[in-house]
Amino acid sequence: DGGITQSPKYLFRKEGQKVTLSCEQNLNHDAMYWYRQDPGQGLRLIYYSQIVNDFQKGDIAEGYSVSREKKESFPLTVTSAQKNPTAFYLCASSIDRGTAEAFFGQGTRLTVV
Amino acid sequence: AQKITQTQPGMFVQEKEAVTLDCTYDTSDQSYGLFWYKQPSSGEMIFLIYQGSYDEQNATEGRYSLNFQKARKSANLVISASQLGDSAMYFCAMRETTSGTYKYIFGTGTRLKVLA
Repeated sequence: DGGITQSPKYLFRKEGQKVTLSCEQNLNHDAMYWYRQDPGQGLRLIYYSQIVNDFQKGDIAEGYSVSREKKESFPLTVTSAQKNPTAFYLCASSIDRGTAEAFFGQGTRLTVV
Repeated sequence: AQKITQTQPGMFVQEKEAVTLDCTYDTSDQSYGLFWYKQPSSGEMIFLIYQGSYDEQNATEGRYSLNFQKARKSANLVISASQLGDSAMYFCAMRETTSGTYKYIFGTGTRLKVLA
């Protein structure tokens, strides 16, 4: 079955530790996105990528980094510079067409203690 | 910059009744797309319905319809015959084009509770 896989579903880290969230898709989509969701809030864009080896900062990129070495993969690293990393992280992908919806993974809930 | 506004943090509806979730948007683009997603408590985002700016008719998908009023820049979601399983967060979104790249921007969401 085609889809987007995020792992792990739950992640616990100590404050100051760097952590990487995985996102893999087998939909052959060119575009991939990372969003952050805080309780009771909407989705805020962290980074997005339209093609391999290229990505752009979203609205809240500070304290995060990404890579896009393969079309299928778009991992997100939460660095120690991110002041409040506890949140729900959603990865999405889409084809490069204006009418296309984004497909989402199941999300990763990151808790920093 | 484009913006999506959802002014209803929470809504209640009686089972089997219809409910309208509001969404207004701001854009200077002539061509744009509007989307609605459902997010159950499990956290997954489920695509519900799409409306293109040039579509002359309101989009419909089963019990979901989109009341698109272009001049007022509103794209309200109407759920008919509400079911208990409709209880969830609902997000309105727009696909924004910047320098040839696409990204989706979301509203803050409306939490819908269907009452038995």
